[in-house]
Amino acid sequence: DVKVTQSSRYLVKRTGEKVFLECVQDMDHENMFWYRQDPGLGLRLIYFSYDVKMKEKGDIPEGYSVSREKKERFSLILESASTNQTSMYLCASSFVYQGGKLFFGSGTQLSVL
Amino acid sequence: KQEVTQIPAALSVPEGENLVLNCSFTDSAIYNLQWFRQDPGKGLTSLLLIQSSQREQTSGRLNASLDKSSGRSTLYIAASQPGDSATYLCAVVAANFGNEKLTFGTGTRLTIIP
Repeated sequence: DVKVTQSSRYLVKRTGEKVFLECVQDMDHENMFWYRQDPGLGLRLIYFSYDVKMKEKGDIPEGYSVSREKKERFSLILESASTNQTSMYLCASSFVYQGGKLFFGSGTQLSVL
Repeated sequence: KQEVTQIPAALSVPEGENLVLNCSFTDSAIYNLQWFRQDPGKGLTSLLLIQSSQREQTSGRLNASLDKSSGRSTLYIAASQPGDSATYLCAVVAANFGNEKLTFGTGTRLTIIP
């Protein structure tokens, strides 16, 4: 079975802190994605990566950055956390043909106080 | 810009009934459409993927149909069970080359009443 693992299930941080969310997949997928999910707004794409060291902005990249140094690992970085970044963060991966089936991690619920 | 809508936002039906969930999208130039299930506080699980050239896909008690020209998809669940209670989301991939991004609907929260 494909496994996409997010390092933390729940995270509480203070405003201004630098926050790292980690995601690891074990299926040798080329594509990896970071989404955030908010009530009433659905899932919104923050960043995605189609290869090591490659990244593209999604719909809401402001306030976030990403790192992909190894194929299996995709990190989301909140440079200076703010309360409006309180959300459920979901990582996903897929093979690199267009519209590949997406596999999701179980999510990280981040609260910024 | 592609927009995906799922109506209703919530649905409750008695156990054993057949039901249909709806998904509509504004731009018919899609590559495929996927249906996902999400349990409370969890990630998403892919249920069915329909390529733009297909009309439907089936998996067990689930059947998804696609009418690309009208911008609609339905997810049919037969003989519903309490374990089917979850939020169901649809998502589309644009037909643009190299665009791997999905656009999601906001989901339908389904409750099956025992």
